[in-house]
Amino acid sequence: EVVLTQSPVTLSVSPGDRATLSCRATQSVSSDLAWYQQKPGQAPSLLISGASARSTGIPARFSGSGSGTDFTLTISSLQSEDFAVYFCQQYNNWPLTFGGGTKVEIK
Amino acid sequence: QVQFVQSGAEVKEPGASVKVSCKASGYIFSNYALHWVRQAPGQRLEWMGWINAGNGDTKYSQKFQDRVTFTRDTSASSGYMFLTRLTSEDTALYYCARGYVDSRPLAGWGPGTLVTVSS
Repeated sequence: EVVLTQSPVTLSVSPGDRATLSCRATQSVSSDLAWYQQKPGQAPSLLISGASARSTGIPARFSGSGSGTDFTLTISSLQSEDFAVYFCQQYNNWPLTFGGGTKVEIK
Repeated sequence: QVQFVQSGAEVKEPGASVKVSCKASGYIFSNYALHWVRQAPGQRLEWMGWINAGNGDTKYSQKFQDRVTFTRDTSASSGYMFLTRLTSEDTALYYCARGYVDSRPLAGWGPGTLVTVSS
């Protein structure tokens, strides 16, 4: 199965700053990579699919890039509501697999 | 708006079985697959499989295929996950999520059901 490794595990960022999250796959998943946001006590919520396509209602400050094995989620200017855990997920191969998550916390 | 209501928390002894329900609303239930994903404490999300809500076809992750069964009741817009031979490693939050039978992201997740396995 495809193993996804996210880095860093924790990212301390000040409000208004830029956050860059990484997701690396053990084999190519083409552009079949999604990003989810999970806030405490809530279910994951789909942010981005196809590596770079924002879901409906997701602010433009969220952007995704990459293909193959290396992917990046960038939050251009962190707002208070963006402090959460972010997961990547590949859907190029069964079983669907998820990264271990990056926690974005307030610096 | 896609919404799910899942059954309440369960506490089970090792060796027992558990059934978790997931009631969907806000979309045509039979037009999609219902996926099940679990999250054990401190662990990453783990995909368990899906059921085609339209025709009942299932696909299970190899890790769970000998212990898990998915069913659905289209009249109730509900899906069910039945997991047998529980061990402490099955202690986790179990989510249902709307998806497809082919490989696509999961857009729309339930709130999760906590299953605790303890003697």
